Amino acid sequence: DAGVIQSPRHEVTEMGQEVTLRCKPISGHDYLFWYRQTMMRGLELLIYFNNNVPIDDSGMPEDRFSAKMPNASFSTLKIQPSEPRDSAVYFCASSFGQVGYTFGSGTRLTVV
Amino acid sequence: KQEVTQIPAALSVPEGENLVLNCSFTDSAIYNLQWFRQDPGKGLTSLLLIQSSQREQTSGRLNASLDKSSGRSTLYIAASQPGDSATYLCAVQSSGTYKYIFGTGTRLKVLA
Repeated sequence: DAGVIQSPRHEVTEMGQEVTLRCKPISGHDYLFWYRQTMMRGLELLIYFNNNVPIDDSGMPEDRFSAKMPNASFSTLKIQPSEPRDSAVYFCASSFGQVGYTFGSGTRLTVV
Repeated sequence: KQEVTQIPAALSVPEGENLVLNCSFTDSAIYNLQWFRQDPGKGLTSLLLIQSSQREQTSGRLNASLDKSSGRSTLYIAASQPGDSATYLCAVQSSGTYKYIFGTGTRLKVLA
């Protein structure tokens, strides 16, 4: 298995634009997590899914952020409109139950 | 609410030294604790996972211990090498949840 695959690796966008981050979890994993990492706040969980259903979105910072998981092999995190304070590294991770927790390589987002 | 703290924030040691990284958490009702390594610009790699019923786990030169009652874990690195230079993150998975709460990490530099 190629692991958790995220795209793009880097994204630079202008303030106000829509940004979509993508994640392909490991095949067979039933949990998917979106994290955000910044120097100030470290790694924060934004939202996680179980069997494609959102379970806990309490970490989503505001309504500008939305996440979907239309099927077991794909998830998106969308920011609309983007702001400079959204600049961070966004990680996706997947697991099978509480085991095999695997992170993707992340998407570095810069909003100018 | 679970909070995870790591001390020290940064550490610089000469090659060959044995060292200890510390992690503390506020809620002892945990399912497991995991130590991750993060290289600059990269994702997270799992090093050791300790279930709540375990006291320690070992992998090569790494040994992680867990004292659930006192809310503490340590990561011991023996005979450190320059290749060990990275940020080490401690993460706690509380009972009844599938998400990890991360500490802010210890940035380790091993000097040749």
